[in-house]
Amino acid sequence: RKEVEQDPGPFNVPEGATVAFNCTYSNSASQSFFWYRQDCRKEPKLLMSVYSSGNEDGRFTAQLNRASQYISLLIRDSKLSDSATYLCVVDSGGSYIPTFGRGTSLIVHP
Amino acid sequence: ETGVTQTPRHLVMGMTNKKSLKCEQHLGHNAMYWYKQSAKKPLELMFVYSLEERVENNSVPSRFSPECPNSSHLFLHLHTLQPEDSALYLCASSQLSQGLLFGSGTRLTVV
Repeated sequence: RKEVEQDPGPFNVPEGATVAFNCTYSNSASQSFFWYRQDCRKEPKLLMSVYSSGNEDGRFTAQLNRASQYISLLIRDSKLSDSATYLCVVDSGGSYIPTFGRGTSLIVHP
Repeated sequence: ETGVTQTPRHLVMGMTNKKSLKCEQHLGHNAMYWYKQSAKKPLELMFVYSLEERVENNSVPSRFSPECPNSSHLFLHLHTLQPEDSALYLCASSQLSQGLLFGSGTRLTVV
């Protein structure tokens, strides 16, 4: 099993839609979880951290399920500008070495 | 400006050349990273420097050599590279266990 797995997509959704991505991780000792966004030919940028209690930032909601070892990202009311690749990042179990998933491609169309 | 500065932005080098990539941050972060991103592949961690300790991915060839002279500067020395080393090389910094802040990257082409 890969350390961090994501469905590569692409997810092709209309503006205004709600879309959700999941990411599974293999190391049960992992402590830190993040979602990043990467635009074409640009560097990844931190979108949000994922806390045990879940967290919300505007249209974006992140959840952590430790029992099933997955994290999720929900985007409501999708905008054209949300089109990007979303990367799931998990630390390697209490250390400072983050592992990136392959990313999920999102395309929001008019 | 992201706070993490990488130079050069683009680099074309021959297989016999020696070059260095530079990264710096003045954010007070205590960890710095080199990642490689090839087309259609996930980000691959190459090296981590944290609290002056180095952690490396054992699969990285010896033709890549990192140097971290202080907590604000990080270099990646390149020599006798191969065409398959062409990729985007990203530097990042963080406070330990916090999210990474990336530089804009160096797009490297080996000819």
